[in-house]
Amino acid sequence: GAGVSQSPRYKVAKRGQDVALRCDPISGHVSLFWYQQALGQGPEFLTYFQNEAQLDKSGLPSDRFFAERPEGSVSTLKIQRTQQEDSAVYLCASTQGATVNQPQHFGDGTRLSIL
Amino acid sequence: AQSVTQLDSHVSVSEGTPVLLRCNYSSSYSPSLFWYVQHPNKGLQLLLKYTSAATLVKGINGFEAEFKKSETSFHLTKPSAHMSDAAEYFCVVGTASKLTFGTGTRLQVTL
Repeated sequence: GAGVSQSPRYKVAKRGQDVALRCDPISGHVSLFWYQQALGQGPEFLTYFQNEAQLDKSGLPSDRFFAERPEGSVSTLKIQRTQQEDSAVYLCASTQGATVNQPQHFGDGTRLSIL
Repeated sequence: AQSVTQLDSHVSVSEGTPVLLRCNYSSSYSPSLFWYVQHPNKGLQLLLKYTSAATLVKGINGFEAEFKKSETSFHLTKPSAHMSDAAEYFCVVGTASKLTFGTGTRLQVTL
């Protein structure tokens, strides 16, 4: 596709359920990033992949959060046993090269609401 | 460690007047700095990027920013605001593996 695609656009889940959020980066992009954006805040870094390798996961808030990119393309962010504080917009971004200092191309995000 | 501070959470200007969105950064080494714009329910779009080649950086849609090391500032400006500029603007500092975003400035443009 022409841009970064995220699905679903909106997700509502009950507290305690598991959710999976998908990101399709721009074809051929090496690097992929996940961010969490709470209401009224700037995005906060969660994790970074270079191809299939997860090089930085320092931003994941707890062990309930897990991300993978098994074939170096599509990535999935999974949140287990969701809690209300997980409600946020989850943004995915990709870059062509291996450094973050290249412009990041963002998807429109997945808005997650935990009831 | 690196951080950015956006000095105004909300800025309101009249259409056709200049825009100034202020940003101060903190970085332990020469930073890469960016401005991104976010329209409602949309992802982030890069406006411009500073990577030490020139202190005055020109971006899309008539925006530009000036890197001032002595003031640790990277303010965003535009000579004449347009209604379509109304959005949330984020100042961002980049390091080896991550971007660190400011809290954002909401720009309102009135007739």
